Amino acid sequence: DTGVSQNPRHKITKRGQNVTFRCDPISEHNRLYWYRQTLGQGPEFLTYFQNEAQLEKSRLLSDRFSAERPKGSFSTLEIQRTEQGDSAMYLCASSLTAGINAEQYFGPGTRLTVT
Amino acid sequence: TQLLEQSPQFLSIQEGENLTVYCNSSSVFSSLQWYRQEPGEGPVLLVTVVTGGEVKKLKRLTFQFGDARKDSSLHITAAQPGDTGLYLCISPSGYGQNFVFGPGTRLSVLP
Repeated sequence: DTGVSQNPRHKITKRGQNVTFRCDPISEHNRLYWYRQTLGQGPEFLTYFQNEAQLEKSRLLSDRFSAERPKGSFSTLEIQRTEQGDSAMYLCASSLTAGINAEQYFGPGTRLTVT
Repeated sequence: TQLLEQSPQFLSIQEGENLTVYCNSSSVFSSLQWYRQEPGEGPVLLVTVVTGGEVKKLKRLTFQFGDARKDSSLHITAAQPGDTGLYLCISPSGYGQNFVFGPGTRLSVLP
């Protein structure tokens, strides 16, 4: 297994356009997480899935954001009507279920630039 | 709500120097992971510590977990420019349903 992958690695879009990012987790991992990271800051939690169920969403996840994990494998994060403030690195991570010893493995991220 | 603090926030040193960065919590950690994130990349897992008093070594990196499991440190010996990055401590929250992040220590090792 090659780890968590994310596509695209970079996305430049104009304000008002919609964008969609994809995350492929490690194959046996049940949990999948999305984070946003702005320059110079640590990752901020957006949402996570247990298999195909979306269990928690951050208040950062406005109604312009939607995430899916339809078959409990890969996940997509869509941002509608992008704004300049959406410019950030979007990170995906996966873990083998939950628990006090759970470890996350991160993908390389998708860097979004909204012009 | 468990909070993670990291110090220092920024650290700039010369190649060959030693350094220590810290991660502290307002409550007991169930376990703690240290990650390094290089610019433009995702965080990479370095180590997980679980037992109070535990010490783990990864080449020039030494990780310690406090006896009371409320603090952890990362010591780097003879730092190299390749050590440059953002060092994050992360812990499963509550019953491990989600993760709590520290704000990170940004390390710059100058050649």
